[in-house]
Amino acid sequence: SAVISQKPSRDICQRGTSLTIQCQVDSQVTMMFWYRQQPGQSLTLIATANQGSEATYESGFVIDKFPISRPNLTFSTLTVSNMSPEDSSIYLCSVEDRSVGRGEAFFGQGTRLTVV
Amino acid sequence: GIQVEQSPPDLILQEGANSTLRCNFSDSVNNLQWFHQNPWGQLINLFYIPSGTKQNGRLSATTVATERYSLLYISSSQTTDSGVYFCAVKGAGGSNYKLTFGKGTLLTVNP
Repeated sequence: SAVISQKPSRDICQRGTSLTIQCQVDSQVTMMFWYRQQPGQSLTLIATANQGSEATYESGFVIDKFPISRPNLTFSTLTVSNMSPEDSSIYLCSVEDRSVGRGEAFFGQGTRLTVV
Repeated sequence: GIQVEQSPPDLILQEGANSTLRCNFSDSVNNLQWFHQNPWGQLINLFYIPSGTKQNGRLSATTVATERYSLLYISSSQTTDSGVYFCAVKGAGGSNYKLTFGKGTLLTVNP
C-alpha cells in the first residue's frame, strides 16, 4: 500500500490569504487526487493531478481558486487561494495502488483548515 | 453520475454489540471500498471489495455487485470503532477514474 505524507496537518488562516498543502508519496504514481470535506459532509473530488499536464478540475472548482502543481511522480501541492470562512474544511490527497484490481485508493492524513 | 446511498446515517451502540452498515449504488462498479474516518479526520482503509466477501478480525464485508449493494459488519463493537464509515465506488462506465463517496454512517459506541 502507498504511504502518503501530507502537511500541514492543520492550520488556522486569516481570510484573504492563501495556504499551500503538500502531498508526498513513497512511490511513483500517475494520478494524484485532491478532495475537500466540508464540516459534517462527505468527500468531494476537487481535481485530478497528472504529472506533466494541467490538473483536471471537477464541476464547481476552478484553477484560480485551487491551483495545483505536480512537478514529479511523487509530489503534488494544492493551494487554497484568497480564503474565506467557507473554505474551512479538511483537504485530503489520494493516490491509487494500481497493483490492486482497478486501483485501491489510499489517503493522506488530511489538512484541517480553519479560516477566520 | 453514479449515486451512493448509505444507511443508517447514524447509529449508537453499546460496547459489545454487533452492527450492519449498508451501501447501495445506482450502477455497475469496478471498485468499491469501505473506509473508517477517525475523530482526527484520517481515512483508514477497511476493505477493497468490488465483489465477494472479506473478513479482517471483527470486521467483514460483502458486496453483491449484481444487486448493487454492499454490507459492512462490525462484531463485538469497541469504543475505538466510533467514527464515520464511508462507502466509495468507482463506476464501470465512462467516469471510471474517480471515487464517488456516500454520505457516511456516523457510528458511536458507548462504553
